[in-house]
Amino acid sequence: DIQMTQSPSTLSASVGDRVTITCRASQSIRTWLAWHQQKPGKAPKLLIYKTSSLQSGVPSRFSGSGSGTEFTLTISSLQPDDFATYYCQQYSSYSYTFGQGTNLEIK
Amino acid sequence: QIQLVQSGAEVKKPGASVKVSCKASGYRFMNYAIHWLRQAPGQRLEWMGWSLHGNGDTKYSQEFQGRVTINRDTSASIVYLEVSSLRSEDQAVYYCARGFEGTFDFWGQGTMVTVSS
Repeated sequence: DIQMTQSPSTLSASVGDRVTITCRASQSIRTWLAWHQQKPGKAPKLLIYKTSSLQSGVPSRFSGSGSGTEFTLTISSLQPDDFATYYCQQYSSYSYTFGQGTNLEIK
Repeated sequence: QIQLVQSGAEVKKPGASVKVSCKASGYRFMNYAIHWLRQAPGQRLEWMGWSLHGNGDTKYSQEFQGRVTINRDTSASIVYLEVSSLRSEDQAVYYCARGFEGTFDFWGQGTMVTVSS
């Protein structure tokens, strides 16, 4: 299975900050990379698919980039609703794996 | 609106089986795969398998092959997940999700499965 590693595991930031989360794959996944946001006790919510496509209804302050083995999620100006855990997720050869998560907390 | 509604929480003894349901509504059921995933406390999400759109063929993660069964009732737009030979490590929240572009665009609310003697 392809392993996904996110960094950092915890990120402290303030409202209005620009933040970036990185995700690395153990082998190339082309652009089959998605980002999900999860809040405590809730199901994940899709933000970005195929590396950089914004899911319908997701604010434009979220963006994604990358290819091959290195990918990033950027939030251009943090809002109070954005403090949550973020997971990257890859798809390759009929298998899906997730990163360990990045907990974005209020500084 | 698109919804996936799962069955309620379960408490099972080690060695038992559990069956969780996921009812889809608000879209054409036959056009999308339904996946099952789980999340143990404080852990990352794990993909378990899927029921394909169209003919409903199934595929399972190697980790769960042989212990997990996914089937569906197309007439009722319901997909089922059954996990057998439960052990403590299977204690988790189980989610169904709709397949989309190599990921999952709509999720069920989750079903907590507790394994305890």
